[in-house]
Formats: sequence, structure tokens, C-alpha cells
Amino acid sequence: AQTVTQSQPEMSVQEAETVTLSCTYDTSESNYYLFWYKQPPSRQMILVIRQEAYKQQNATENRFSVNFQKAAKSFSLKISDSQLGDTAMYFCAFRLSGTYKYIFGTGTRLKVLA
Amino acid sequence: DGGITQSPKYLFRKEGQNVTLSCEQNLNHDAMYWYRQDPGQGLRLIYYSQIVNDFQKGDIAEGYSVSREKKESFPLTVTSAQKNPTAFYLCASSIEVAAGAEKLFFGSGTQLSVL
Repeated sequence: AQTVTQSQPEMSVQEAETVTLSCTYDTSESNYYLFWYKQPPSRQMILVIRQEAYKQQNATENRFSVNFQKAAKSFSLKISDSQLGDTAMYFCAFRLSGTYKYIFGTGTRLKVLA
Repeated sequence: DGGITQSPKYLFRKEGQNVTLSCEQNLNHDAMYWYRQDPGQGLRLIYYSQIVNDFQKGDIAEGYSVSREKKESFPLTVTSAQKNPTAFYLCASSIEVAAGAEKLFFGSGTQLSVL
């Protein structure tokens, strides 16, 4: 069975600094997709970034980028130039290709300090 | 605007009572999902449905039931058999997953509490 592990329950970062959130996963399959979702205090889940496992190039979305290490089964999220609006819970998620089941990690609570 | 509507925002359940959480989407998505969120446990899958009149159990289906009579609607019933129903419930949808790295679209959630 696939699992997703986020080992940092809470993190904080100063405004304008860079922070990296960790995510590891376990699977014996080779075709899958990885996601980072953000849940701000409003509790509305928002997609931050996604990565196809067959792509070697790391995904980027403005200030958000990932470090995808397929062999190590690692999928970390880097937030550059942190802003107060980045304060949220961040969830890493995994889905096998061709399946409907998304598996979520337990989340990392990020606080951006002014 | 297209999206997912969950209602009510807050719901209270009495002992032995069944309650139903509503989820409606106008995104024309085939797949719909129900997740339960507890503090420190992330999101856990309760049920999902790929098409109308078909649904599958997720990891924590015991004490819950669903129906999918219309493409737009996927209501979740929390039955009296669910002994610890207090949680935040999220409904989500997605297009056909064979298309690739399709994301989940989420509703704004329902907070269920026991009286």
C-alpha cells in the first residue's frame, strides 16, 4: 500500500525568507502523480503545485517549486520570498496513475512571521 | 462560477441520529470524493464515485453511506453506527483521471459536531 509521510508537524519562517517542507512517499509503482495542497485558516483546500513522476524536470509555480527525487521517493516544497498569506497547513498527496485514490500526508503547519 | 458547494457549513448530531451532508458540483466532473479531516491525521478517504450509480469504499467507510444518483450530487450520510463523527468533512471532485495529473477541486467543508 502507498503511504505519504510529512515529518514536520509545524514550521515557521520569517517574511521574505525561503522555507522547505518535506514529504516522502512509499510505492513500488513507477507511474504516479504528486501534489502539494494548501489549506489556509479558511479551510479551503487549494492546489499549490503538481508533478508527474515521469517528468525529470521539477515543477515550478511562481514562488513555489519542488525538489522531486524519484529514487529517494522524496517530494519537497520550497517557498521563496515567503509572504504572510502563505500561512497555512500544507498537505502532500500521491495518486497512482489510472486510479482515483489520492493519498494525503498528515500535513505541515507553516507560520510566516512578520 | 463553477465549483463545489457543501452544506451546511456547521452541523450538530444528536446521539443515535443519522445526518446527511450535501455536496453539489457544477464542474461536470465524473469523479467525486468524501474525505474526513481530523487534527494531526490529514485527510482520510471515506467514499469515492467514478460515475453515476457507482461508488467505492475508501479507507474509513464504516458508519458512513453515500449515493450517486446524479452526476452533480454526492451526499454523505453519517449514520448512528459512526461512534466518533466529530470531524471536518471535505467533498471533492475531479475529471477523468486517465487524463493525467488531474487535481482535486474541493468544497469549503462541513464541520460536524456531536451534541
